[in-house]
Amino acid sequence: GNSVTQMEGPVTLSEEAFLTINCTYTATGYPSLFWYVQYPGEGLQLLLKATKADDKGSNKGFEATYRKETTSFHLEKGSVQVSDSAVYFCALTSPGNTPLVFGKGTRLSVIA
Amino acid sequence: DTGVSQNPRHKITKRGQNVTFRCDPISEHNRLYWYRQTLGQGPEFLTYFQNEAQLEKSRLLSDRFSAERPKGSFSTLEIQRTEQGDSAMYLCASSPDRGFNEKLFFGSGTQLSVL
Repeated sequence: GNSVTQMEGPVTLSEEAFLTINCTYTATGYPSLFWYVQYPGEGLQLLLKATKADDKGSNKGFEATYRKETTSFHLEKGSVQVSDSAVYFCALTSPGNTPLVFGKGTRLSVIA
Repeated sequence: DTGVSQNPRHKITKRGQNVTFRCDPISEHNRLYWYRQTLGQGPEFLTYFQNEAQLEKSRLLSDRFSAERPKGSFSTLEIQRTEQGDSAMYLCASSPDRGFNEKLFFGSGTQLSVL
């Protein structure tokens, strides 16, 4: 079945540091890949997505590239801000009305 | 849009009691999903509806869990004879029916505590 593995947290960075959160997946067929973010006290919201191999999703300075050869979708940001402190979830879904499957989440704390 | 609304935000109950949660999706969204999230874990899929039809319910955790969406609008999730292990955040999400890779809009969740 479909599954997602993402790096354990928490991750603590100083403001303006480079961020990478690793995500690898197992899926049948050709899945779509997502990063969702949960800010403190709020519901999950979509950060970015990619629907086919070599696609790059981007939003708010975050990027992730769909790498089929390594089954990965790592999240990156060149310069994090305190406001990026949140929990980040990697997720996937695949054709055939399969449900969205999430990783365990990675908590990011950015300190000034 | 007004967003996905879930009520109540918090529910404290005693073991053995029944609880019901409500979800109001974004009005034009055909699909409605229920997830459960425990501490330190990602959301775990429970069930989903397309309009009033429940298309997947095999992931409901036990026969104590049931969900309805009687008129294709709001949905309820009921847990009968609650157990301490049911303590978790219950999340609702909705989406338009545009294919499997459409993004989900999540509510803020109902936090259940079973004493």
